[in-house]
Amino acid sequence: GQNIDQPTEMTATEGAIVQINCTYQTSGFNGLFWYQQHAGEAPTFLSYNVLDGLEEKGRFSSFLSRSKGYSYLLLKELQMKDSASYLCAYMDSNYQLIWGAGTKLIIKP
Amino acid sequence: NAGVTQTPKFRVLKTGQSMTLLCAQDMNHEYMYWYRQDPGMGLRLIHYSVGEGTTAKGEVPDGYNVSRLKKQNFLLGLESAAPSQTSVYFCASSYGDREAGELFFGEGSRLTVL
Repeated sequence: GQNIDQPTEMTATEGAIVQINCTYQTSGFNGLFWYQQHAGEAPTFLSYNVLDGLEEKGRFSSFLSRSKGYSYLLLKELQMKDSASYLCAYMDSNYQLIWGAGTKLIIKP
Repeated sequence: NAGVTQTPKFRVLKTGQSMTLLCAQDMNHEYMYWYRQDPGMGLRLIHYSVGEGTTAKGEVPDGYNVSRLKKQNFLLGLESAAPSQTSVYFCASSYGDREAGELFFGEGSRLTVL
């Protein structure tokens, strides 16, 4: 099977910080990806990690620990427009993406 | 500035009917994919193509066929639709192996099979 897990839903407050976790198990690994998907829209690429550590891109950062099979997406200074689903996916040894079910993030004023 | 375009956006079919979803990309991408997205589940790969004239099965290929006669187009066919194929279908494209994880998605096609 394809073992990738992330929380179903999270709630956070506008202006705050939220961390969305993703865990995976795989024997072949070619990177970890995060996508954002607003309701009724297509997913859009956010970030890519292939080495351990933190990648920062504006208000969004993504972290990877390959030894722990763990990644997180950190969103700072939350805005109402950040309300969306966040999809975690790892790339397997065949360069195919294996997707988590997504985390629905609800931002409250 | 079209990117990836899917048609149609919405379709309702009766069980047993056939239809084709068309995907077109104008970014000269080598790789193209068809996914389905169902509530509570991750995106599932139906079929994919790594270049013009090539296709391969993904995770859930049964009941679907594909063709990639031109580099810019990737067609998904349902020969005999079933209610289990009610879903949102996304086409995506990418440059190639090392960039294969950065997908560009179409807007989606919502299919209902009655």
